[in-house]
Amino acid sequence: TAGITQAPTSQILAAGRSMTLRCTQDMRHNAMYWYRQDLGLGLRLIHYSNTAGTTGKGEVPDGYSVSRANTDDFPLTLASAVPSQTSVYFCASSDSIAGGGEQFFGPGTRLTVL
Amino acid sequence: GQNIDQPTEMTATEGAIVQINCTYQTSGFNGLFWYQQHAGEAPTFLSYNVLDGLEEKGRFSSFLSRSKGYSYLLLKELQMKDSASYLCAVRDGDYKLSFGAGTTVTVRA
Repeated sequence: TAGITQAPTSQILAAGRSMTLRCTQDMRHNAMYWYRQDLGLGLRLIHYSNTAGTTGKGEVPDGYSVSRANTDDFPLTLASAVPSQTSVYFCASSDSIAGGGEQFFGPGTRLTVL
Repeated sequence: GQNIDQPTEMTATEGAIVQINCTYQTSGFNGLFWYQQHAGEAPTFLSYNVLDGLEEKGRFSSFLSRSKGYSYLLLKELQMKDSASYLCAVRDGDYKLSFGAGTTVTVRA
């Protein structure tokens, strides 16, 4: 079982360009999440989806959009990248948003915006 | 917003015990999680507390006091492989996780 996969592993992007970070899980989890991790700030929630067809905004949603067309995939799109979006991006999923439902994290995408 | 505080760094000797404290102020409370993250890797789940008290899992234990907004992660019989960052995360009233900045633990021989 692959768990959660993310692509690409790393990317250098010119400011102003658009990019989609891909996330796929094979655990049939209902909930999926996108976080960014910056030194000294910890993980911050960008967007989330409690179930296929629904999405919600997290703590830092500006400049990002998501879609959840099916259970397995949860892409994150940067419409016009800016240098402040340089970060490590983690996708996560959980079977349930309540109870002891832990979140499983993908390996991350390291994005540099120049 | 949420406010989750934990120390930035801790150093301990192999075989020793280390306690990582976490204090929080959140809008609602639906559980507290601890994750381990090795450098360059993804976070992995360690423990979950929703009721007051101590949860023990092998060499790792986690404690919660909801009235004090306080938790700690206890690492016993430290091994070199325990050198990592430890993340405290609180699930709020909307069932979203907020993470602390993490505590980097360095284990020395």
